[in-house]
Amino acid sequence: SQQGEEDPQALSIQEGENATMNCSYKTSINNLQWYRQNSGRGLVHLILIRSNEREKHSGRLRVTLDTSKKSSSLLITASRAADTASYFCATERGYSTLTFGKGTMLLVSP
Amino acid sequence: NAGVTQTPKFRVLKTGQSMTLLCAQDMNHEYMYWYRQDPGMGLRLIHYSVGEGTTAKGEVPDGYNVSRLKKQNFLLGLESAAPSQTSVYFCASSYRNLRGLHEQYFGPGTRLTVT
Repeated sequence: SQQGEEDPQALSIQEGENATMNCSYKTSINNLQWYRQNSGRGLVHLILIRSNEREKHSGRLRVTLDTSKKSSSLLITASRAADTASYFCATERGYSTLTFGKGTMLLVSP
Repeated sequence: NAGVTQTPKFRVLKTGQSMTLLCAQDMNHEYMYWYRQDPGMGLRLIHYSVGEGTTAKGEVPDGYNVSRLKKQNFLLGLESAAPSQTSVYFCASSYRNLRGLHEQYFGPGTRLTVT
């Protein structure tokens, strides 16, 4: 069963705007990761946040984690057309395996 | 470095046929994984391996077998293909870094259609 669930399922914005995607999960985790998938390609790792961290930044990406609410958010600032992709959250519970959500499709229009 | 490669890229099978998907990685990673991705779904783990000679079941293992005879290769077999196995299959590999964390590196996928 899917551990993570992303919200919204689809998001359409203009270049330069910020994009926020949310992820909720059900059980305790060791860490949560976000991946990007361009159409027809494999997934690419974006960022990892550990269960004892609350916020993490990487370039234009900002991830937050609230373990009390079992939720995470991914913020992409100043979006570009090249950010158009599907974004997945994935949780690791300590057995080296990840459980993925269904993803958010982001469309950034020029 | 090629990273993670998968062969073939596309395949069409008839119901009941068998085939093997090959995954290879040149990063000396201990861990390897096979996922399937269906429309509107995230990735679901089929089988994984934590080292050469070891395999374990994931979330959806039925109808599939795997082998990890060499550290760099992870094979996924379908003994008797069914239409429900029509999907895109992704292989991934990872290693445990100094902080005990994994990030997975994915191959480009194999699109399989079973008619």
